[in-house]
Amino acid sequence: RKEVEQDPGPFNVPEGATVAFNCTYSNSASQSFFWYRQDCRKEPKLLMSVYSSGNEDGRFTAQLNRASQYISLLIRDSKLSDSATYLCVVNTDKLIFGTGTRLQVFP
Amino acid sequence: DTEVTQTPKHLVMGMTNKKSLKCEQHMGHRAMYWYKQKAKKPPELMFVYSYEKLSINESVPSRFSPECPNSSLLNLHLHALQPEDSALYLCASSRQGGDTGELFFGEGSRLTVL
Repeated sequence: RKEVEQDPGPFNVPEGATVAFNCTYSNSASQSFFWYRQDCRKEPKLLMSVYSSGNEDGRFTAQLNRASQYISLLIRDSKLSDSATYLCVVNTDKLIFGTGTRLQVFP
Repeated sequence: DTEVTQTPKHLVMGMTNKKSLKCEQHMGHRAMYWYKQKAKKPPELMFVYSYEKLSINESVPSRFSPECPNSSLLNLHLHALQPEDSALYLCASSRQGGDTGELFFGEGSRLTVL
């Protein structure tokens, strides 16, 4: 089983849609969790950290479920500019990147 | 614009060449990283420098040799590479020593080995 698993997608959604991604991790000792965004042929950029109590940043909401060992990212009111690959990152004794989920928002 | 600067942006080299990738940050970060990323794959950690000391080496072949001359600079020396080493090489930094998850990446150096 991979340490961090994501559905690779692609998720093709119309503008204005709500879309959710999940990410599962295998190491129960994982300490912290993050979502990164990577545009085509660009570097990854931190989108948001994921806290135990859940957190929201504008249209983006991240949740952590330690019991089931997964994190989620919800994007509301999708914009064309949200099209990118979303990478789940889990920190145990080092950062482990998931394979990423590709999102394509169409007009 | 990223605050982590990598040069060169593109590099083509033969298998017998020696070249270096360079990375610089002026954010006062104390940890710096090299990642390798192949197409449609996630970044793979290669090396971590924490407070200018090598703290993680992910069993990277010796044809890749990292160097951290000071807290702002990180180099990756390349020698006798193989075509399968062609990839995007990403440098990153973080505020504290060790992994905090809040990494700032450079734009990468795209390497092609012929």
